[in-house]
Amino acid sequence: RKEVEQDPGPFNVPEGATVAFNCTYSNSASQSFFWYRQDCRKEPKLLMSVYSSGNEDGRFTAQLNRASQYISLLIRDSKLSDSATYLCVVNIPMNTGRRALTFGSGTRLQVQP
Amino acid sequence: GAGVSQSPSNKVTEKGKDVELRCDPISGHTALYWYRQSLGQGLEFLIYFQGNSAPDKSGLPSDRFSAERTGGSVSTLTIQRTQQEDSAVYLCASSPMGYEQYFGPGTRLTVT
Repeated sequence: RKEVEQDPGPFNVPEGATVAFNCTYSNSASQSFFWYRQDCRKEPKLLMSVYSSGNEDGRFTAQLNRASQYISLLIRDSKLSDSATYLCVVNIPMNTGRRALTFGSGTRLQVQP
Repeated sequence: GAGVSQSPSNKVTEKGKDVELRCDPISGHTALYWYRQSLGQGLEFLIYFQGNSAPDKSGLPSDRFSAERTGGSVSTLTIQRTQQEDSAVYLCASSPMGYEQYFGPGTRLTVT
C-alpha cells in the first residue's frame, strides 16, 4: 500500500462547480498534513495546511479525519485558474529525526469554461 | 521576500559528463531538501539537510549522486557520469523548523 494515495483524475468540471478531492495515508502516527498545488511544468506551491478541526481559506476547505486516515480538499465556485494538479502531503515520522514529507502523486483538476 | 532560487534553470549535458546544480534556500530556513521529478511523475526524495546534523542521504539513487551544503545555506547537488535516466527536473525546497516546505523553480536536466 502506498504511504499516500490519491485518485489521479483528471477531474473535469465546469466553472463555478464544487469539487472535492480525497487522499488516504497509511501511517497513523502522521501529525502534519498539507495540500500543495502544482501547475504544469512548475514547482509545487503550498496551498494550505490541514488542521484537526478543519480549516477554510476563501473558496478552499480542508478536512482531516484521523480515524479513517483521510484528508479532503473542497474547492467551491471553481475558476479556470484552479486548473492544476493538487498534491496531498503527509509527514512520515522518522526515527532518523528527518522531518520528512511524503507527497502523493497528485490529482489533476481541469476547470472548463 | 526572496524565495528559494535554483540555478541553472535548464541544463543540457552529454551522457558521461558531470553536472552541478545549485540551490539558495530562503534565509533563515534550517532545513533543505532535494527532490527530482520525472515528466508526469510524482516527487522522488533525494537528500535532506538539517542544520549541522549529518545529512539524510537515504533517497540518493546511486553513488554517482552527492550533495553538500556549505555554511548551512547554499547547497550543491552533483551528479557524476550522467546517464539518460538522470533526465528530470531537480527541485530544491527549504523549510523553517516546521514541516511546510517551499520549493524553488527547479533545474530541468536533459542528458543526451
